[in-house]
Amino acid sequence: GAGVSQSPSNKVTEKGKDVELRCDPISGHTALYWYRQSLGQGLEFLIYFQGNSAPDKSGLPSDRFSAERTGGSVSTLTIQRTQQEDSAVYLCASSLTSGRAYEQYFGPGTRLTVT
Amino acid sequence: AQKVTQAQTEISVVEKEDVTLDCVYETRDTTYYLFWYKQPPSGELVFLIRRNSFDEQNEISGRYSWNFQKSTSSFNFTITASQVVDSAVYFCALSEGWSGGGADGLTFGKGTHLIIQP
Repeated sequence: GAGVSQSPSNKVTEKGKDVELRCDPISGHTALYWYRQSLGQGLEFLIYFQGNSAPDKSGLPSDRFSAERTGGSVSTLTIQRTQQEDSAVYLCASSLTSGRAYEQYFGPGTRLTVT
Repeated sequence: AQKVTQAQTEISVVEKEDVTLDCVYETRDTTYYLFWYKQPPSGELVFLIRRNSFDEQNEISGRYSWNFQKSTSSFNFTITASQVVDSAVYFCALSEGWSGGGADGLTFGKGTHLIIQP
């Protein structure tokens, strides 16, 4: 079946602009996760959704970051007033349900470059 | 405090050699899960294995094997008879319930870049 898909695959934006990153999880997976991968910080967990609910938003780097999920499926990660330090690969993952036991399946990522 | 440590930043071996990637973790939980992921040059993280804290049996899957030792908080990964296609960055990750939700994201190590030379 289809894996996790993300769009766009690459995004170049000017500092100060807003961007929206999209994730489409594996069908039937109720949990969805966002991570950021950068050279300096490695792989950082940002936020997860169980259904449409995000119980803990403390992993988001700043209040310029927000995420939502509707219909228990597609999720968007929005970065407002982008800064150069936001440049990274943003990865989305999904799992059958939330919980420690379930492996997460990752999408190909969106490479964000802020100029 | 760093919770997952992969001390080997880069390893380079010649094809057909065996290679072991080290992973040391830290947690206050008694129940937790450990994972290995592979990230080939294409960039997509590929799930390799999951192990829970109560199961210390070693696991073998083809040329891959994993050694989990709670006494040393280690979960090492060995590739036997390495092949060029094994070249990738390998990540060890931890999932624990300490933060309360039991469903937080994975905590990854920094990764080990494995280079298999022909």
